[in-house]
Amino acid sequence: KAGVTQTPRYLIKTRGQQVTLSCSPISGHRSVSWYQQTPGQGLQFLFEYFSETQRNKGNFPGRFSGRQFSNSRSEMNVSTLELGDSALYLCASRPGTSRTSEQYFGPGTRLTVT
Amino acid sequence: QKEVEQNSGPLSVPEGAIASLNCTYSDRGSQSFFWYRQYSGKSPELIMSIYSNGDKEDGRFTAQLNKASQYVSLLIRDSQPSDSATYLCAVNMDQAGTALIFGKGTTLSVSS
Repeated sequence: KAGVTQTPRYLIKTRGQQVTLSCSPISGHRSVSWYQQTPGQGLQFLFEYFSETQRNKGNFPGRFSGRQFSNSRSEMNVSTLELGDSALYLCASRPGTSRTSEQYFGPGTRLTVT
Repeated sequence: QKEVEQNSGPLSVPEGAIASLNCTYSDRGSQSFFWYRQYSGKSPELIMSIYSNGDKEDGRFTAQLNKASQYVSLLIRDSQPSDSATYLCAVNMDQAGTALIFGKGTTLSVSS
């Protein structure tokens, strides 16, 4: 079974621009979570989608948003980029039908804001 | 605020030794616990999950959970140089299991 895929893998943007990242979950998985990883803060939860609905949201500003499509693919958008948004953005998928199910990460998108 | 604490390391062990990685968490209501391994420049890879008090073994890895002490650990037996990585402890943030809180990770170095 194919794993979680994320595109693009690397991205360089300028401060003030916006960016859209894409995630395709493991086949059959309906839950997609997004995380930001930085050297200083570690891995932090952004939001989670299940069946096109956002079920949970972390403590990030409104510039960070996401959505999920009917095929479970998900996108996250960051508007008005700041230098501090430079990070590895990871998505993780799980079946979503059990609260104990495990999350599997994609390879991540490395975003650099200059 | 819910927190997960890990010693940052580095933890250095010789090849063939047992590596012991520890993690504490603040939310007594947490139900699900995970260990991820992350090689430099790569994404986290799930190693173990544990939900009940006690030990869970999978090959060279053993996860231990003590909910009363709010403590979870990972033992790696017969450590290999290929085990050198950062190990992340993760705990479910909510009852629905939609989000994980991660510790900052412990860097393990296994010398040959």
